[in-house]
This record gives sequence, C-alpha cells and structure tokens, in this order.
Amino acid sequence: GENVEQHPSTLSVQEGDSAVIKCTYSDSASNYFPWYKQELGKRPQLIIDIRSNVGEKKDQRIAVTLNKTAKHFSLHITETQPEDSAVYFCAATSYGNNRLAFGKGNQVVVIP
Amino acid sequence: DTGVSQNPRHKITKRGQNVTFRCDPISEHNRLYWYRQTLGQGPEFLTYFQNEAQLEKSRLLSDRFSAERPKGSFSTLEIQRTEQGDSAMYLCASSLTGQGGEKLFFGSGTQLSVL
Repeated sequence: GENVEQHPSTLSVQEGDSAVIKCTYSDSASNYFPWYKQELGKRPQLIIDIRSNVGEKKDQRIAVTLNKTAKHFSLHITETQPEDSAVYFCAATSYGNNRLAFGKGNQVVVIP
Repeated sequence: DTGVSQNPRHKITKRGQNVTFRCDPISEHNRLYWYRQTLGQGPEFLTYFQNEAQLEKSRLLSDRFSAERPKGSFSTLEIQRTEQGDSAMYLCASSLTGQGGEKLFFGSGTQLSVL
C-alpha cells in the first residue's frame, strides 16, 4: 500500500516568514494529494489539494507543488500568521482507491 | 451546523466493555469513512461505505469491530470487548461521489479511553 512520510516533524517560524513542509509518497500510481490542517482539539480540514496532472496550485497564502518524478509534494505557507499554527497532514491516493494514506503530520508553530 | 456530526465526543470505558459511536455525515454525501487517529499520528483508514454498502475494510479492523450504515445515512461503529489498545480518536468523514470525491469532510471525532 501507499506509504506517506512528512518532514520535518516540527517547524517553528517567525510570524511573517514562510513555512515549507515536504511530503514523500511511495506509490507511483497515486494521483491525488491533499493537505489537511488540524488545530488542537479540532477536526482535520482540507486546505488545498493537487492532482497529478498539474505541478502547482495556489490559494491565497498557501500553495502546493508536486514533483511526480521524485514522488514528493510540498506545502508552502507565505506571510505566516499565528492562526497558521497547527498540525498539517499530507495524504495520497490513486484513482479508484477509496482510502487516503496520511502522513504522521507536521507541527507548525508560528512565533509572534 | 451542516457538517459531519459525531457522538459522543468522549467515551471512557472499562476494558472488556462494548462501545458504540455514531456518525451523521453531510446529508447529500453518499460516501462515509471511519478513520482512527492516535497521538502523534495521522488518521488511519478503517472502513468505507458507499450508500449502505460497506465496500472496504482495513486489516486494522479486527473481528471486534463492526460498522453499519443501515439506510445509507448515519453510521455506527461498535467495538466489542474493548482493549486498552483501542484507545484513540475515532474520526468519521464523508464525501460525494464524482469529481472531487476524494475530498473528505471530517467530524470532530469520538475520543475513546479504555481503562
């Protein structure tokens, strides 16, 4: 099955700086890659996703880039704010597969 | 609130007891998933329904676990003869078949503690 890994496990950034989280996957058939944000004690929420037919997608301060050859994708958060502090999970799945394989999560701490 | 609803939010039980959790998905969503999350880990897939049919189960779902979605709307997850290793957050999610069907909307989860 799919194996998803995230690095680094914890990331601290100064408010206003950028944060980048990298995720690697093992199954070359995977073609859908979402990122979920989970604040302490709350539900995971989808913040951005990308399909394998594009290399980059942006939504305001967040972006995701995909490198299919290297089998990794990254979450970029620009102009970080305290409310960006959370655990971010990447995931992967392939068309017709009914399960998302999640990474272990990255704790992002934005220092005011 | 039209999001995914889970009850109870917290459940404390003694080892060996049975517990049942309920999930109410977003009303128009035909897909429903159960995931389990332990501290410091990402959600792990347990099982998946399309309408009332349970189409996939993980190897994580031992014989003590059973899930139902009798009318294709709400779902229940039952754990029989609970063990301390069952302590975890049980998350339910739903989605809609079609383009973007992989976009999961999660509930707030049921935190199970087995003493």
